Amino acid sequence: GAGVSQTPSNKVTEKGKYVELRCDPISGHTALYWYRQSLGQGPEFLIYFQGTGAADDSGLPNDRFFAVRPEGSVSTLKIQRTERGDSAVYLCASSPRGVESTDTQYFGPGTRLTVL
Amino acid sequence: GQNIDQPTEMTATEGAIVQINCTYQTSGFNGLFWYQQHAGEAPTFLSYNVLDGLEEKGRFSSFLSRSKGYSYLLLKELQMKDSASYLCAVRLMDSNYQLIWGAGTKLIIKP
Repeated sequence: GAGVSQTPSNKVTEKGKYVELRCDPISGHTALYWYRQSLGQGPEFLIYFQGTGAADDSGLPNDRFFAVRPEGSVSTLKIQRTERGDSAVYLCASSPRGVESTDTQYFGPGTRLTVL
Repeated sequence: GQNIDQPTEMTATEGAIVQINCTYQTSGFNGLFWYQQHAGEAPTFLSYNVLDGLEEKGRFSSFLSRSKGYSYLLLKELQMKDSASYLCAVRLMDSNYQLIWGAGTKLIIKP
């Protein structure tokens, strides 16, 4: 069965540009998460979707970051006016329900974003 | 604040046993996860503990002591492919979905 997929796998952009990162979760999973991971660190929570709505966006670092999940499946993380400090691996995960204690998150391969 | 501590790096020999420790101080606790992450790849789920004790799954076992805020991952019969980072993550009580992650332990296996 298909796991979580993310595109592109690598994205190189210039400072100030706009980027979109896509996540396709495991079919049927209602919960979707975005994380950011820097080298040698654990994932840093960005945002959590339950269905189509962003249930918790408290991890988004500032208003340049935005994410949508319009049909409750595919999600897009959007970053405006990119800065060099945004360079990281952006991980997406999905889980069946999100609100049960035994729910396990399954991760995609990530998008490595490099801002020059 | 929330804090999860793991050793930065460990080295072990192929065929041996290694124990990776994780200690946590968090505002709540509703389970602890261990994930494996190979360089340049996504974290993959290894184990989940919510009650005290040992959970065994093949060559991997995970232990939890909630009173001590402590967990360990035990890897037996080490193989070269076990060279990876091992991440400990705690689920908080007030939000069943949000995980607080440690920085990971890089495990190097030598022949």
